[in-house]
Amino acid sequence: GAGVSQSPSNKVTEKGKDVELRCDPISGHTALYWYRQSLGQGLEFLIYFQGNSAPDKSGLPSDRFSAERTGGSVSTLTIQRTQQEDSAVYLCASSSLGGYTFGSGTRLTVV
Amino acid sequence: GENVEQHPSTLSVQEGDSAVIKCTYSDSASNYFPWYKQELGKGPQLIIDIRSNVGEKKDQRIAVTLNKTAKHFSLHITETQPEDSAVYFCAASNFGNEKLTFGTGTRLTIIP
Repeated sequence: GAGVSQSPSNKVTEKGKDVELRCDPISGHTALYWYRQSLGQGLEFLIYFQGNSAPDKSGLPSDRFSAERTGGSVSTLTIQRTQQEDSAVYLCASSSLGGYTFGSGTRLTVV
Repeated sequence: GENVEQHPSTLSVQEGDSAVIKCTYSDSASNYFPWYKQELGKGPQLIIDIRSNVGEKKDQRIAVTLNKTAKHFSLHITETQPEDSAVYFCAASNFGNEKLTFGTGTRLTIIP
């Protein structure tokens, strides 16, 4: 497609459940990023994939968070044993030697 | 690592007036400075960017200026319109690294 696609757009889950968020980057973009944005706040870096290099996981807030990128394309962000403080919009972006293109995000609500 | 500060956090201007948002960065190796606009319920969108080999770039009502010596850059919006109301983020990176460091955002409100 022409842009970065994220699914689902909204997710409500019970505390303690696991969730998976998906990102389809722009075809050919070698870099993929996950950010978290709490209500009215800035962009919190989570993880960065660049080609075949080891991912930069320095922003992951705890070991309950993990991400993978299969075949250099689609990425999945997994949050295990969700907590209420995980409620936020999770944004994915991709790039290729330039500015990011962001998806519309997944709004996660943990109840 | 890089640290980007952004001011002001909120800004209200009358329709038709100009708006200016300022950012400073800490890493002198940074050489790429994009600006993003985020409308309610959407992801941020790139609106303009500048590389360190130029001091100013314009695109219609939007301009960005860069002062490498002082390590600051600014977004200027002229003849503001209601559709300019949004949150704006500045960012910086070393272009070869690609990973951006974002400012904390400015909520711009245009008053009709």
